[in-house]
Amino acid sequence: DIQLTQSPSFLSASVRDRVTITCRASQAISSYIAWYQQKPGKAPKFLMYAASTVQSGVPSRFSGSGSGTEFTLTISSLQPEDFATYFCQQLNNYPWTFGQGTKVEIK
Amino acid sequence: QLQLQESGPGLAKPSETLSLTCTVSGGSISTPNYYWGWIRQPPGKGLEWIGHIYYGGGTFYNPSLQSRVSISVDTSKNLFSLNLSSVTAADTAVYYCARQWMYYGLDVWGQGTAVTVSS
Repeated sequence: DIQLTQSPSFLSASVRDRVTITCRASQAISSYIAWYQQKPGKAPKFLMYAASTVQSGVPSRFSGSGSGTEFTLTISSLQPEDFATYFCQQLNNYPWTFGQGTKVEIK
Repeated sequence: QLQLQESGPGLAKPSETLSLTCTVSGGSISTPNYYWGWIRQPPGKGLEWIGHIYYGGGTFYNPSLQSRVSISVDTSKNLFSLNLSSVTAADTAVYYCARQWMYYGLDVWGQGTAVTVSS
């Protein structure tokens, strides 16, 4: 299975901060990576696909980049509603796997 | 607007078979380029992909669960189902159904249903 390692696992930030989350794959996965946002007690929300394409309706402050084994999710100016846990997922090889998550909390 | 809703018992006994159903509304399950999948999340932990099915019946399962899992689809009722046999406490989790858009991601999710395995 392809292992995805997110860093950091926990992040404390303030409103309007720029935040970057990294997802590293144990082997190359082209650009088949998706990102999700999950709030407590809720289902994950689909944010981004193909590493850098933002899903319709997702604010433009979210962006993504990367290919191969290293990927990043960036929030350019953190808003109160962005405090949540973020997961990456690879869809290059079965079984699909997820990163362990990055929890973004208010400083 | 497409919606997915999980249903099934919230409690299962060890060694039993867990059966969950995901009802799709606001769209057809027989839509090309989409798979229909199950994902679970143990309490306080991350996400685990269980498997998915195409409306034509083709399935893919996580090898870690393959010997115990079965996913089926009923296009006439616009729903798909998960069966997980020989459950143990390690199968306690919130179970989500979701629509998978090809190799791009899980773009629509159900709200999730909590399942506890306990005697």
